[in-house]
Amino acid sequence: EAQVTQNPRYLITVTGKKLTVTCSQNMNHEYMSWYRQDPGLGLRQIYYSMNVEVTDKGDVPEGYKVSRKEKRNFPLILESPSPNQTSLYFCASSLWPPSGRANYGYTFGSGTRLTVV
Amino acid sequence: AQTVTQSQPEMSVQEAETVTLSCTYDTSESDYYLFWYKQPPSRQMILVIRQEAYKQQNATENRFSVNFQKAAKSFSLKISDSQLGDAAMYFCAYRGLNTDKLIFGTGTRLQVFP
Repeated sequence: EAQVTQNPRYLITVTGKKLTVTCSQNMNHEYMSWYRQDPGLGLRQIYYSMNVEVTDKGDVPEGYKVSRKEKRNFPLILESPSPNQTSLYFCASSLWPPSGRANYGYTFGSGTRLTVV
Repeated sequence: AQTVTQSQPEMSVQEAETVTLSCTYDTSESDYYLFWYKQPPSRQMILVIRQEAYKQQNATENRFSVNFQKAAKSFSLKISDSQLGDAAMYFCAYRGLNTDKLIFGTGTRLQVFP
């Protein structure tokens, strides 16, 4: 089954304790992206990657790191989490460039609810 | 820069009735894609319907249809014969033909009453 797998689904951590949220896709997609979802703000892009070893900042990158050493994996790293990073996080992937007009959609992971206390 | 606006934070509908969720967007591009995603309590982002800007015909998927007004930059979602399972957060999203980024609105929470 084609999917994006995120782990963990829930995470409670303390301020300053480094954490990693993993993301893996099995569709051979070049493009991967991280979003955070906050009430009243919708989904905002944190970081994205066009391919292996190619990453770039999205709209809200402060406090986050990413890496893309393999095509299938795109982990999100919070080196020193703070309470304002409490949010719902989504990983998504897509073909890039799209090979046809049917391929413009994203496939999303099931989300990670992060609470930083 | 492109923006997507959903002006209705919450909507409600009675079961079996019809409801329309509004979405407007701003872009200078001529070719793009528009999407409606559903997010039920499970948090999964589920693609409901997609519209390609070059197509004049409005997209339809079973009980879900859109009213795409390109000149007005409007992309509303109509849900017919609403069901309890339609209760969710709905997000409108935009993606340009030559851009990688999916831009989201702030969402509309839909409640369905029996």
